[in-house]
Amino acid sequence: EAGVAQSPRYKIIEKRQSVAFWCNPISGHATLYWYQQILGQGPKLLIQFQNNGVVDDSQLPKDRFSAERLKGVDSTLKIQPAKLEDSAVYLCASSRSEEAFFGQGTRLTVV
Amino acid sequence: QKEVEQDPGPLSVPEGAIVSLNCTYSNSAFQYFMWYRQYSRKGPELLMYTYSSGNKEDGRFTAQVDKSSKYISLFIRDSQPSDSATYLCAIDTGGFKTIFGAGTRLFVKA
Repeated sequence: EAGVAQSPRYKIIEKRQSVAFWCNPISGHATLYWYQQILGQGPKLLIQFQNNGVVDDSQLPKDRFSAERLKGVDSTLKIQPAKLEDSAVYLCASSRSEEAFFGQGTRLTVV
Repeated sequence: QKEVEQDPGPLSVPEGAIVSLNCTYSNSAFQYFMWYRQYSRKGPELLMYTYSSGNKEDGRFTAQVDKSSKYISLFIRDSQPSDSATYLCAIDTGGFKTIFGAGTRLFVKA
């Protein structure tokens, strides 16, 4: 079974620029998550999709972050404009039960 | 009060030691508890899960839930250098929504 694929692995941008991350979940997993993990902290849920509908986006900074899930499969997370405090690893995960399977993450550095 | 709290460590032990990792949580309604392991520059992976109270054992690993004190633990016996990683406690709060503790960094010295 192929795992969760994310790209890019690393991204360095200047503050106020925009950036997008892509995620391809495990086939058949209806639930998809984006987490933000700041160095030294646990993952924080940004948004949860069930198929292509949003279940929870209460912690997504909607003035600068947006996410969509295309046809209930792939997903993109966008930040515009980026701030220094957005420097973190962005993890995508998918599930069909309580267990979530994570990708390797995209490490974003905002300078 | 955070929904789940975990001491970030780091915790350094010699090879062969018994390791105890712990978390506390705030909501007594939570039922599904998990431990994830995260190696450096990798995503977390599920190590163990327990439903409601009690113990669960898998090889050198034992997960324990005490719902009366809202305390969850992970014990690692005969720890190995390959166990060096960050261990994240996690709780399913319903609807497959998972919240994570801060993670405890563990170093096992050969």
